[in-house]
Amino acid sequence: GDSVTQMEGPVTLSEEAFLTINCTYTATGYPSLFWYVQYPGEGLQLLLKATKADDKGSNKGFEATYRKETTSFHLEKGSVQVSDSAVYFCALSSYGGSQGNLIFGKGTKLSVKP
Amino acid sequence: NAGVTQTPKFRVLKTGQSMTLLCAQDMNHEYMYWYRQDPGMGLRLIHYSVGEGTTAKGEVPDGYNVSRLKKQNFLLGLESAAPSQTSVYFCASLPHADSYEQYFGPGTRLTVT
Repeated sequence: GDSVTQMEGPVTLSEEAFLTINCTYTATGYPSLFWYVQYPGEGLQLLLKATKADDKGSNKGFEATYRKETTSFHLEKGSVQVSDSAVYFCALSSYGGSQGNLIFGKGTKLSVKP
Repeated sequence: NAGVTQTPKFRVLKTGQSMTLLCAQDMNHEYMYWYRQDPGMGLRLIHYSVGEGTTAKGEVPDGYNVSRLKKQNFLLGLESAAPSQTSVYFCASLPHADSYEQYFGPGTRLTVT
């Protein structure tokens, strides 16, 4: 079945450091790919998405490119801030009968130190 | 516009007790979902609904039941709670099948002793 694998955390960075969180997927067909973020004590929020190969999703300085050839959707940010400390989830949705269901990776906890 | 709300926020149950978690959304969304979040496991889908009066099983449905009698509400029931159901439960909604963004509630932290 479909699955998502993301790098295990926790990841600890200093403020203004470069961030990469790796995400790879297995899916039949052509899924849509997402990054969700969960701030402490809150529910998940959509951070960015890409719906077809070579699309780049971006939001709040974060970017991820849908790479079909490597089945990857790595999350990057050039300069992290303390406020980016959160848990990041990579997810996919295979439409066409899946009813919009999301399949999540296990999450990567990011801590940014001042 | 409150978005997706969940009741209660916290609950402690004894093994064998029953309870119902309520999810409500005021965005007129068609689809609703219940997930559980466990350490190191990410989020796993319990049940979902594609419209009023419909429900379907997700990845981990055993021990749970759901109902969607009204479009805006999606109830998750535990008939006989077990310690393995200790988790954080999230509800989410999706406007329609062609939408991409699921909107999540703040979660319910359930402990079964």
